Formats: sequence, C-alpha cells, structure tokens
Amino acid sequence: EAQVTQNPRYLITVTGKKLTVTCSQNMNHEYMSWYRQDPGLGLRQIYYSMNVEVTDKGDVPEGYKVSRKEKRNFPLILESPSPNQTSLYFCATSLSAGLPNYGYTFGSGTRLTVV
Amino acid sequence: QQPVQSPQAVILREGEDAVINCSSSKALYSVHWYRQKHGEAPVFLMILLKGGEQKGHDKISASFNEKKQQSSLYLTASQLSYSGTYFCGTAGRVGNTPLVFGKGTRLSVIA
Repeated sequence: EAQVTQNPRYLITVTGKKLTVTCSQNMNHEYMSWYRQDPGLGLRQIYYSMNVEVTDKGDVPEGYKVSRKEKRNFPLILESPSPNQTSLYFCATSLSAGLPNYGYTFGSGTRLTVV
Repeated sequence: QQPVQSPQAVILREGEDAVINCSSSKALYSVHWYRQKHGEAPVFLMILLKGGEQKGHDKISASFNEKKQQSSLYLTASQLSYSGTYFCGTAGRVGNTPLVFGKGTRLSVIA
C-alpha cells in the first residue's frame, strides 16, 4: 500500500532535549517536505528536498534540521526544542516538485508538545 | 508569498452551495486544492494548471482564472461529509517550486 509513514504520532518532551520525527515513503517520490500547522496560520513549510542529498529551507526553518540520505526517508530533527515549536507537524511527498502537476501525499501528522 | 483564501469560515446547511476563493499577488502556474478533516492529514482533491481549465471531483469543482491570479472551489449540494478545512496551494512557475499554502477555509455543513 502506497503511504507516507510518520512517527511518532504524539510526543511530549522537555525544552532542550533533542528529538527526531521520522518520515518514510514507499512511493519512490523525489520530493519530500516538512510543514508545521498552527491555528490560524495554515501550513507553513519548514524544509524541503527535491531529491537525495538536496535540501532547502522553507519559510520557517529556524530551530530545525533535516537530512535526505536515502530517497525514502526525510527525518526532521529538533536539536534543542523550545516551547514555540509546539505544533502539529506534517510530512508531505510528491512524485516531483519540479513539475507541480502532482498532488502531495501527507503523512498522518505528529503532534509535538514542548514543555 | 502566501495566497489569500476567502472566506475564512462558512457554515452551510445540507444541500446548499459554497464557493471558496484563493488569490495570489504573483503569477500562477498551478493551484492545488486539499481538504483536511478535523484531526486528520490534508487530502489532495485536484490540481488546476495554467490555462484556465475547470476540473471536477464528484460535486466539487474548481476553476482557475489566470488573468486574475485566482482559483475558486465550488461545492454544490453540500453533504455532511464535506465539512473540514480547505486549503489551496499555489506554485508560481514550472520547475523547483514547492507549493505555498493559504491559511485555509473552515467549512461546516449542518443538517
């Protein structure tokens, strides 16, 4: 079954404790990205990757890191989480972002709370 | 630049129609539409490409006005299952342009 798998679904952590949210897809999609969703602000892009070893900043990259060592995986790393990173996070993938003719497939989301 | 969606929220009775608009200050190449139900991930509905074509998906259709840099989503004879938040995502040109999403329009359909 074609899917985007995000883990964990829920996470409560303390300020400063490094964490990783994983995203994996089995659709051979080139494009992968991370969004955060906050009430009234919609979906804001954190980082994206056009292909393996290629990553770029989105609109709100501060405090986040990503890597794309394999095509299927695109983890989001918070080196030192702070309370303002409390949010709902989504991973999204597409066959290719170079041709915006393909819809995005979203993971099921990760609700992160930083206390 | 984030596209502007209007209205921000709308309440409908079953069977009524609604229009959601998505406007950009930049020239658009494509517009995507997604629906997100409460507590779930956004789900892709349709894409409209430069050229003004109209697309349909069940009783949900959309148009793309290239000159006005605007897309409209039409929901006809609304059903309870249409409730959710609708997002448009826009891309300004072909090639290496991730979507930028609007803030969303919350649609509530009541019996």
